[in-house]
Amino acid sequence: DQQVKQNSPSLSVQEGRISILNCDYTNSMFDYFLWYKKYPAEGPTFLISISSIKDKNEDGRFTVFLNKSAKHLSLHIVPSQPGDSAVYFCAATRASGGSYIPTFGRGTSLIVHP
Amino acid sequence: KAGVTQTPRYLIKTRGQQVTLSCSPISGHRSVSWYQQTPGQGLQFLFEYFSETQRNKGNFPGRFSGRQFSNSRSEMNVSTLELGDSALYLCASSSDPGTSPGNTIYFGEGSWLTVV
Repeated sequence: DQQVKQNSPSLSVQEGRISILNCDYTNSMFDYFLWYKKYPAEGPTFLISISSIKDKNEDGRFTVFLNKSAKHLSLHIVPSQPGDSAVYFCAATRASGGSYIPTFGRGTSLIVHP
Repeated sequence: KAGVTQTPRYLIKTRGQQVTLSCSPISGHRSVSWYQQTPGQGLQFLFEYFSETQRNKGNFPGRFSGRQFSNSRSEMNVSTLELGDSALYLCASSSDPGTSPGNTIYFGEGSWLTVV
């Protein structure tokens, strides 16, 4: 049972335009959400996060929006650049066994065309 | 500061064999977690170790096991390998994800396991 869902396996965007990656979750106990980016042959790297008490967090070209009532979050990249082409994983955490272990979605492959 | 180091990077094993993967966390990090990545399933949590104790475990069969040493280095072992175990195994370290949900975890480059 997938608790974190990224329903779009891939997304193609033109350079300079906005990329919007979506993520849905089912467990209302999640209290922190993160996005990771992964290039081929590399491990995932942390991109941006948001606490459940906020609805928006911005870091440069990257903004994450959280809609708790809809259990939905999205990552906006503006403007998109070819170097942003990677797989993006959405993750959600909740307290478990004394730690916060992220549960990841299956990822969305973003391709930004020059 | 050195990142998370995983060895070996690539390996090929035969069905029925066992394999041990190694992970050296970032210096000072005491939490190590392991993930399996396959094309259709994304990142699946295997287990987390903190101060040599398994603190969390994912939904994997008992053939998957791990341990952590006093220097925080960790190993994971898969016994009686099956074809479906072919995957990228990622190790991640963190200072202590128990103190804050926002504590970032840092991933290694992974170990590519192919079972034939």
